[in-house]
Amino acid sequence: AQTVTQSQPEMSVQEAETVTLSCTYDTSESDYYLFWYKQPPSRQMILVIRQEAYKQQNATENRFSVNFQKAAKSFSLKISDSQLGDAAMYFCAYRSLNTGNQFYFGTGTSLTVIP
Amino acid sequence: EAGVAQSPRYKIIEKRQSVAFWCNPISGHATLYWYQQILGQGPKLLIQFQNNGVVDDSQLPKDRFSAERLKGVDSTLKIQPAKLEDSAVYLCASSFGAPNQPQHFGDGTRLSIL
Repeated sequence: AQTVTQSQPEMSVQEAETVTLSCTYDTSESDYYLFWYKQPPSRQMILVIRQEAYKQQNATENRFSVNFQKAAKSFSLKISDSQLGDAAMYFCAYRSLNTGNQFYFGTGTSLTVIP
Repeated sequence: EAGVAQSPRYKIIEKRQSVAFWCNPISGHATLYWYQQILGQGPKLLIQFQNNGVVDDSQLPKDRFSAERLKGVDSTLKIQPAKLEDSAVYLCASSFGAPNQPQHFGDGTRLSIL
């Protein structure tokens, strides 16, 4: 089974600064999808950004962007101009195109935004 | 668009009792997932349905957990009998079938076992 590793259990960033959350994954598949989800204290997880493995261009959504390094199996999330509302748990997820399109989640990174 | 609905929001039971959770996915979403999220960990897939068929239940403790998705819409997850280690948040998510489509999550049910 695929594994997703988030090596930073906790991160903090000053408001308006930039922070990068790391994610690595292990797979033998050549095509798949990657996602970053945000889980605020209210608990509902919401999608932040997605990346198709066959696309070389890094995905961007407003202040959120990714650095996708397919050969290194790395998928980091960069948050620019951090805001207080960005404080949450962030989960990296891998979606296989085999095994029933199953999602595999990392253990999460807790992000604190310091005013 | 209405989101994924889950109930109850909280549940407290004693060990060896039974409990059931309900999930109503977003209309049109063929795929439905149940996850267990233990405090401080990422979600762990328990079972995945495609319409009313099971796609993956390899991590479902079948001696005590069961799930069904009758008519390919609503789903229920049951635990009987509950153990202390079942204390967790149980998340339901749904998505369209295409692999590039993300999951949409409900608010979850926080289960505490005494």
